[in-house]
Amino acid sequence: DAGVIQSPRHEVTEMGQEVTLRCKPISGHDYLFWYRQTMMRGLELLIYFNNNVPIDDSGMPEDRFSAKMPNASFSTLKIQPSEPRDSAVYFCASSLASYNEQFFGPGTRLTVL
Amino acid sequence: AQSVAQPEDQVNVAEGNPLTVKCTYSVSGNPYLFWYVQYPNRGLQFLLKYITGDNLVKGSYGFEAEFNKSQTSFHLKKPSALVSDSALYFCAVRATLDTGRRALTFGSGTRLQVQP
Repeated sequence: DAGVIQSPRHEVTEMGQEVTLRCKPISGHDYLFWYRQTMMRGLELLIYFNNNVPIDDSGMPEDRFSAKMPNASFSTLKIQPSEPRDSAVYFCASSLASYNEQFFGPGTRLTVL
Repeated sequence: AQSVAQPEDQVNVAEGNPLTVKCTYSVSGNPYLFWYVQYPNRGLQFLLKYITGDNLVKGSYGFEAEFNKSQTSFHLKKPSALVSDSALYFCAVRATLDTGRRALTFGSGTRLQVQP
């Protein structure tokens, strides 16, 4: 298996622009998680899905952030409009059942100028 | 609510010496406990987990962790550190009760530096 795939690996954009991050989980996994990592705040859970349904989005910072999972093999995290404080590494992870280990993607490093 | 504390931001150890990275947790009921490692510019990699059973759990790369229910701890250990073990280590917890939050709660991370 190729593992969790994220694209793009790096994204540089200007404030106010829309940013879309993409994730392909491991085939057969029924949980998908989006995290954000910064030096100041560490690793934060943004949202997670079970069988393509959002379960808990309490970690989404504000309405500028949205996430979708249209099918079992694809998820997006969108920021519109982006702000410099959104600069971070965004990770996607998937797992088979919520009590099993999560497998993380390589991350997307987002820089908002 | 569930939480994890990693009291040390950084642990320094000489190569060949034993290492310990500390983790304590708070959760309602029994826990599922995990350790992950993150190398520079990489995602987190799973090391080991405690679900139930033997309190001493063995994982990847020679690491092990001991679950101590009375002290609510799950310290990561290795008998002999390698320079290549230098990385950021995260402890994570989830309650076994399948109600409420089913996602892992991660600690703030501990940077392990192994000197040659």
